[in-house]
Formats: sequence, C-alpha cells, structure tokens
Amino acid sequence: DAMVIQNPRYQVTQFGKPVTLSCSQTLNHNVMYWYQQKSSQAPKLLFHYYDKDFNNEADTPDNFQSRRPNTSFCFLDIRSPGLGDAAMYLCATSREEANTYEQYFGPGTRLTVT
Amino acid sequence: AQSVSQHNHHVILSEAASLELGCNYSYGGTVNLFWYVQYPGQHLQLLLKYFSGDPLVKGIKGFEAEFIKSKFSFNLRKPSVQWSDTAEYFCAVTSYNTDKLIFGTGTRLQVFP
Repeated sequence: DAMVIQNPRYQVTQFGKPVTLSCSQTLNHNVMYWYQQKSSQAPKLLFHYYDKDFNNEADTPDNFQSRRPNTSFCFLDIRSPGLGDAAMYLCATSREEANTYEQYFGPGTRLTVT
Repeated sequence: AQSVSQHNHHVILSEAASLELGCNYSYGGTVNLFWYVQYPGQHLQLLLKYFSGDPLVKGIKGFEAEFIKSKFSFNLRKPSVQWSDTAEYFCAVTSYNTDKLIFGTGTRLQVFP
C-alpha cells in the first residue's frame, strides 16, 4: 500500500544533542511537509518542500532544518534540541493539484528530550 | 490571516448519543475543508473533505459534515456515536491554490459505554 513512513516512531535524545528524524513516501507526491504537534495542540507547520523548493514558516526556529535529497525522502534535523522541542513530529505529503492539496500523514515520531 | 475555530474543546457523550462538533473558519474566498481524526496513539487520518459541489459531505465511519458558506462553518455530525469514536478531531482548511493546511485547536471526544 502506498503510504507515508516515519522512522523512528520514538526517539529519545539528550538536551543539545543533534537528532534527525526521517520520512519516506511511496505516494510519489511532490510536496512534503513537517509539522510539530505538542500535547493537546493542533499540528503546527514547520516547513514544506515543493519538489526541491524549500519553504520555511516565519516562526520556525533556526534550530530546525530540513533536507530532501529526492522525491521519496525528507529529513528533519534538530541541531540543538531543547526541552521545549519535545513533541510529536508529523510528516505529510500532497500532490500539487488544483484546488485540493489533500495531505496524507505519517504516523509521527515522538521525540523526548532528556 | 486565516484561522480555524473549534469551540468545543472537550465533549463527553454516552454511546448512541448524537454528535455535532463546530468548526468556523475565517477566509472569504474559495476554501477546501477537512476533518481529521486522531485516535489515541495513532496518526492523523482523514475523516472527510469538501472541495466543491454538494455541501453535505459523507465521510468514513458514519460521519458527515455540512459546509454552510454564509456562516463560514463546516460542522461535523454523527447521529449515533460509539465508544470507538473516542479520539481527537481536527478541523482544517486550505484556501484556493495554496498548500498550507490551517488546523483548528482540536476537540477531544470521549464516548462512554
């Protein structure tokens, strides 16, 4: 089945220790998104890619970076995680199509910062 | 800026009760509307969506939503809830020709047997 896959599902890192979360998709969608979701809150868009074009949200901290080496994969790098970065990180994809932009979500990676 | 409001933060119902969750958005142009559900410990799943056409949209698991343009609303309904409907429900909107999905703050639904 075509899907959005995120690895790992659970990640524990230490304060200040860089961490990378990965997302892959078999849907062949050209748009990929990274969201941060804290407990009992709505997902918050961090950035997204249109093909290789990177679009950063204005309020996304510089601590968060992303890479998309090819259509299928996208990575979220947190350079120096703080306690406030503990959250669920969601990857989503969509196909650029007029008037729709329906997004397909992965299962998320729950990040714990100790 | 666009925003989405979900006024019910926490709803508690007994099985077989009827459900209506409110969703209002602020955008005057053409919109695409979504309801997503997040079951405990699981990922966001699309419940239903509205792009155009019939404003009454049927989704999975017996859910439906009605788009009322004059009220900027897209309320979610289910005539008879089940214990398995216990989850967080998010309303979301994208405007015409944009990829940014704006989420509401979510409504936690608890259904007791």
